[in-house]
Amino acid sequence: AQSVTQLGSHVSVSEGALVLLRCNYSSSVPPYLFWYVQYPNQGLQLLLKYTSAATLVKGINGFEAEFKKSETSFHLTKPSAHMSDAAEYFCAVRSNTGNQFYFGTGTSLTVIP
Amino acid sequence: GAVVSQHPSWVICKSGTSVKIECRSLDFQATTMFWYRQFPKQSLMLMATSNEGSKATYEQGVEKDKFLINHASLTLSTLTVTSAHPEDSSFYICSASRPANYGYTFGSGTRLTVV
Repeated sequence: AQSVTQLGSHVSVSEGALVLLRCNYSSSVPPYLFWYVQYPNQGLQLLLKYTSAATLVKGINGFEAEFKKSETSFHLTKPSAHMSDAAEYFCAVRSNTGNQFYFGTGTSLTVIP
Repeated sequence: GAVVSQHPSWVICKSGTSVKIECRSLDFQATTMFWYRQFPKQSLMLMATSNEGSKATYEQGVEKDKFLINHASLTLSTLTVTSAHPEDSSFYICSASRPANYGYTFGSGTRLTVV
């Protein structure tokens, strides 16, 4: 079975500061991992995905995430937060043998001017 | 590429009426589409998986007769909330998978309010 845990339902950072959103996964097989962003009253937009290639994945809007098998983690980072980064972020896992996604509970990112 | 259009973006209906939500893959053929429900400040919960030309597979606890899903073509899936009640008010999001694609494309969501 697959699952993801997002530590911290709310994260606040100052504009220009480092963004770190945590995600740990549980999977019995090598997983595919994703980060999505959701703005108010909108659907989900893919930020980046890990599909067993390079462990450091670069996504859109300056975000990146590193797959660490030893820590079963896939944390999302951005060196310098921008006001427009304020949104809800979801980590998701999908096994490489199935179609179903399992989403974390989400982390709300607030950027303080 | 890989655009999913969901319509309507918001709808208000009276209790007891039915509402249909459409999910279209605009530039690819989606063999499988998924319907999610999201309550305020919560994550997405998978409701059902629909495969083109076959019956949808519902997750445990989701009423099949209340949430009717039709996937008649490779580009269109519909979710009909029948005899809607205020507790059905929620944000509904669809997603579509593309053959040989690892990721899934999500629609923009539908805000349903039942009064």
